[in-house]
Amino acid sequence: EVQLVESGGGLVQPGGSLRLSCAASGFTFSDYWMTWVRQPPGRGLQWVANIKQDGSANYYADSVKGRSTISRDNAKKSLYLQMDSLRVEDTAVYYCARRRGKQWLDYWGQGTLVTVSS
Amino acid sequence: QSVLTQPPSASGTPGQRVTISCFGSSSNIGTNSVNWYQQLPGMAPKLLLYINDQRPSGVPDRFSGSKSGTSASLAISGLQLEDEADYYCAAWDDSLNGGLFGGGTRLTVL
Repeated sequence: EVQLVESGGGLVQPGGSLRLSCAASGFTFSDYWMTWVRQPPGRGLQWVANIKQDGSANYYADSVKGRSTISRDNAKKSLYLQMDSLRVEDTAVYYCARRRGKQWLDYWGQGTLVTVSS
Repeated sequence: QSVLTQPPSASGTPGQRVTISCFGSSSNIGTNSVNWYQQLPGMAPKLLLYINDQRPSGVPDRFSGSKSGTSASLAISGLQLEDEADYYCAAWDDSLNGGLFGGGTRLTVL
């Protein structure tokens, strides 16, 4: 059974940093692109970033580009999102998801809440 | 403001057929396939349709999708109370070189 479990969310002040993790199981993690998606409270889904199977390529939404870094450790079957210079508008539930083809996400985690507030 | 445009709400009664539209542009829907996600209240999103009209295993055939030009639609036939959820269309955008979601449509089953 495919499982994705996010962790690392919490309350952080504006300008602070946070590192989110996503532990994968039930599939060969190194065979798949992975994606982070976020959802601000009461709002819709927003794509955040993608990373290639071997970590050699990644893509970011303009809203996080330059402030966030997606990475992965295939030996640990884990995906990460390092978020720096956090803003109030980064407050959201962050989901990791497995990407197939040209951007459909067939498995999602349950999400981790990031709250940016003073 | 989402680049993929969906109506904010839709409704129907049990047994009815409802459709949800998704409008994009040449750099996203016009070039790439459309995927649909269902998000039940308080839950993570779930893949509902991929490559315009393909259903993952376990998704009932009451759910169907289509795409024409720069727009797509999701149809739900034989509406059930359990279908009450938020529905999102999504596509890759070649100009942005990134993924896009529609703003979401909240379906109410009356």
